Amino acid sequence: DGGITQSPKYLFRKEGQNVTLSCEQNLNHDAMYWYRQDPGQGLRLIYYSQIVNDFQKGDIAEGYSVSREKKESFPLTVTSAQKNPTAFYLCASSPWAGGEQYFGPGTRLTVT
Amino acid sequence: GESVGLHLPTLSVQEGDNSIINCAYSNSASDYFIWYKQESGKGPQFIIDIRSNMDKRQGQRVTVLLNKTVKHLSLQIAATQPGDSAVYFCAENPKGNFGNEKLTFGTGTRLTIIP
Repeated sequence: DGGITQSPKYLFRKEGQNVTLSCEQNLNHDAMYWYRQDPGQGLRLIYYSQIVNDFQKGDIAEGYSVSREKKESFPLTVTSAQKNPTAFYLCASSPWAGGEQYFGPGTRLTVT
Repeated sequence: GESVGLHLPTLSVQEGDNSIINCAYSNSASDYFIWYKQESGKGPQFIIDIRSNMDKRQGQRVTVLLNKTVKHLSLQIAATQPGDSAVYFCAENPKGNFGNEKLTFGTGTRLTIIP
């Protein structure tokens, strides 16, 4: 069953803690993306990766970090430096950079 | 600012009627466009795409129209159903599939189907 998965669906953390969100795809896609979505808002790009072992900052990369050690995995770490981390986080993949993106179900992170 | 935007943030349509969601873009170099549907609490789902060498493309109950002269994109949904209630986003690739590694997303329009 091909697709893109994110886990967990809901995540709760205390302020000051780093937290890592998982994103896995078995679509053999080269490109992967992380977005943040706040209530009633559109998608804002955090980081993206066009190929393994390479990634670029998006529009709101501050306070976040990523790695791309494997083609199928693109985890996102929300660090304590992120001032307002509570949001809905979406991961996406694409067969090629700039092409149609397939989205995961999202992780809703709440930091208190 | 974003180059992709929507004329109407909310739209309510009677069940069974047709709906039209609009999107304006400012980058004349954009040559690939996608419409996504996002239901509450879920990730966006691909609906339909269109390349700039076309002005119309049809899917199942959906039609996308592209007017490059006025840089306008629209999504038409025929015979709307309650399951069509969602937020709809347009997205563009400013340089086409090969040449730009990102999509630019609009802010979205919330479509509500009234039973």
